[in-house]
Amino acid sequence: KAGVTQTPRYLIKTRGQQVTLSCSPISGHRSVSWYQQTPGQGLQFLFEYFSETQRNKGNFPGRFSGRQFSNSRSEMNVSTLELGDSALYLCASSLLSQTGEAFFGQGTRLTVV
Amino acid sequence: DAKTTQPNSMESNEEEPVHLPCNHSTISGTDYIHWYRQLPSQGPEYVIHGLTSNVNNRMASLAIAEDRKSSTLILHRATLRDAAVYYCILRDGRTYKYIFGTGTRLKVLA
Repeated sequence: KAGVTQTPRYLIKTRGQQVTLSCSPISGHRSVSWYQQTPGQGLQFLFEYFSETQRNKGNFPGRFSGRQFSNSRSEMNVSTLELGDSALYLCASSLLSQTGEAFFGQGTRLTVV
Repeated sequence: DAKTTQPNSMESNEEEPVHLPCNHSTISGTDYIHWYRQLPSQGPEYVIHGLTSNVNNRMASLAIAEDRKSSTLILHRATLRDAAVYYCILRDGRTYKYIFGTGTRLKVLA
C-alpha cells in the first residue's frame, strides 16, 4: 500500500510570508501527527489530528496551525514565517492505539530566508 | 510527559551485535516503549515496541527491565545499513502522543 505522502518536498519562503504543507496518510489511518525537526531541538511534536479534530498539541506558538479533512488528509500552516522556522516538517499517520506504529513521510524541508 | 535518556552516539563493528540502552525512569504503567530509527534524509522508521515483556521481530529485539525503568534495543548483527539515529520513545497511554528524545547516533564500522 502507498506510504505517507508529503508535499512539497522542498520549499523556500521569505520572512513574514505564510506557508501550507500537505500530508496524505496511509489509507485507513485516521490519525495524523506533525513534527518539526531541527538540528538544535531534534524532533518536536506539533499537533495531532484524528477524525478532523485536534487531539493533542505541542508547545508551539499560535502561528502554527493545522487541520484535517474528511478523507484524513492534513495540512499545516505557518503564518508570519521567521528564520527559526527553517526545519524539516514530518507528518506521521497511524491507527489510534497504544501499539499502532506510526508511518512517517519523508518530510518537507522548509527554508526561510 | 515521561522522558527518555539515551547516549548521544555509539559505534559498532559490522556483523557484531549492538546494544542500545534507554532510560525512562518516569514511565507510567500504560506507556508503551517504542523504538524508531532515522536514516539520513528520511523520516523515522518503526523498529519495535513493547510494554513489559521482551519482544523480537525480524529487525531487532527489545529487552525491557523488570521495573520498566530502562530498556535495550538489540541489533543482532549490525550492517552498514543500520547506521542511523535510533530513538527510544514512550507512547503516552492516554493521549497516544509520541515524545521523542535526542536519540543515539549509531555508527557501524566496516
